[in-house]
Amino acid sequence: DAGITQSPRYKITETGRQVTLMCHQTWSHSYMFWYRQDLGHGLRLIYYSAAADITDKGEVPDGYVVSRSKTENFPLTLESATRSQTSVYFCASIQADTQYFGPGTRLTVL
Amino acid sequence: AQRVTQPEKLLSVFKGAPVELKCNYSYSGSPELFWYVQYSRQRLQLLLRHISRESIKGFTADLNKGETSFHLKKPFAQEEDSAMYYCALRGSGGSNYKLTFGKGTLLTVNP
Repeated sequence: DAGITQSPRYKITETGRQVTLMCHQTWSHSYMFWYRQDLGHGLRLIYYSAAADITDKGEVPDGYVVSRSKTENFPLTLESATRSQTSVYFCASIQADTQYFGPGTRLTVL
Repeated sequence: AQRVTQPEKLLSVFKGAPVELKCNYSYSGSPELFWYVQYSRQRLQLLLRHISRESIKGFTADLNKGETSFHLKKPFAQEEDSAMYYCALRGSGGSNYKLTFGKGTLLTVNP
């Protein structure tokens, strides 16, 4: 489990600010994912990446941007944070059908 | 389109009682089904998958294609089973590794 980490673990920001959530994995897994977890909605896929420089939209991509210049890193950027983006964000990678999740980042947008 | 439905947001049972967390899915092909669990203050982790037909921590789940269900069962619940449980589906074929998750069921096992 320590193979995938997220930073920061907690973040408070204000509406309109840009925020970047970091995700790092040590396994060199090809696929990586970003989810948001909200009460009543469960886990929803924001973006995913099949490999370095290959990314694609998930279910709820609006307001988010991702990049993947290196296999081990998959940062998620909120270009102009809104209150509706207050959530817990999970990064994950996949190996042999199993998704391995990071510890999550709790983001609050005031 | 693929969809996963977990009809119960909350489920409360007493220790030693049987527990069943329901999961229904909608998918036109042959899906792969999973159960993930999130214990308090821990990250999500895989509990079991239907293709392995294994029992983990006393939990089992059988894929019923006729009823499009993948219910999670345990005959005797323990307090340490209290957690959030997510059913997830992955479509078959190709290199599509995306999972579609249900909204989750919060299980509370009372002493």
